[in-house]
Amino acid sequence: AQSVTQLGSHVSVSEGALVLLRCNYSSSVPPYLFWYVQYPNQGLQLLLKYTTGATLVKGINGFEAEFKKSETSFHLTKPSAHMSDAAEYFCAVSDQSFQKLVFGTGTRLLVSP
Amino acid sequence: ETGVTQSPTHLIKTRGQQVTLRCSSQSGHNTVSWYQQALGQGPQFIFQYYREEENGRGNFPPRFSGLQFPNYSSELNVNALELDDSALYLCASSHQRTENNYGYTFGSGTRLTVV
Repeated sequence: AQSVTQLGSHVSVSEGALVLLRCNYSSSVPPYLFWYVQYPNQGLQLLLKYTTGATLVKGINGFEAEFKKSETSFHLTKPSAHMSDAAEYFCAVSDQSFQKLVFGTGTRLLVSP
Repeated sequence: ETGVTQSPTHLIKTRGQQVTLRCSSQSGHNTVSWYQQALGQGPQFIFQYYREEENGRGNFPPRFSGLQFPNYSSELNVNALELDDSALYLCASSHQRTENNYGYTFGSGTRLTVV
C-alpha cells in the first residue's frame, strides 16, 4: 500500500520568501511522485513529477522538488513566493502501473504582502 | 488541445436519489479516472477506465459505477445518495502506454451537495 503525509495543513510566507512544502511518502515499490496545485473552485494542475532519472525535478511557475529515497521525501520548494502562489498543494504517489494516485491531505499556502 | 470538461459544475440532490456526472476527456487520452474530494481532504481514487473497461477501483461501494464511451467520454453514476457523498468529484484523463505518460489532466470538477 502507498501513502503520503504532508506536514502542515497551512504554511504562511511573505512575498519574496522561500516556499517549502513538505511531503513524505510510503511505498513498497519504486514510487512515482507528483505535486499538484489547486486554486479555489478549480481542478488540479500538475506542477511537476518524478518517475525515474534525475532526482531534482523542475516544474512550472518556478517550483522544484527533490526525490530523496533515503528520507522517503519529495519536498516542494520555490526560492521566492509570489502572491499568485497562494493555493492548495497536494503531493501524490503512484506505482509504476500508474493506475491511481494516492494523495496527501494537502497544504494551504498563504502568501502575505 | 482541449482540456477535460465536466458537467454540471454544481448539483444539489436529495438523499436516496441517483446522480450522473459527465466528463469529456482531453483529446488523445484513452484513460479516465474519477476521484472524490471531500471538503478539506485530498482526492480519493474511485475507479479508472481504459478502453471502456474498469481498470481498477478504490475503496468505494458498488453504488458508485461508471462508464467510458468509444469517444473516451465518461460518466460517474452514484445510486442511493448519502449525505457523505457530498464532495467535489474530479475527472482526470491520461494516455496510457505512452512514453511521456504519468501526467493526468484534471477537470474543474462537479460539486455535489446531498441534502
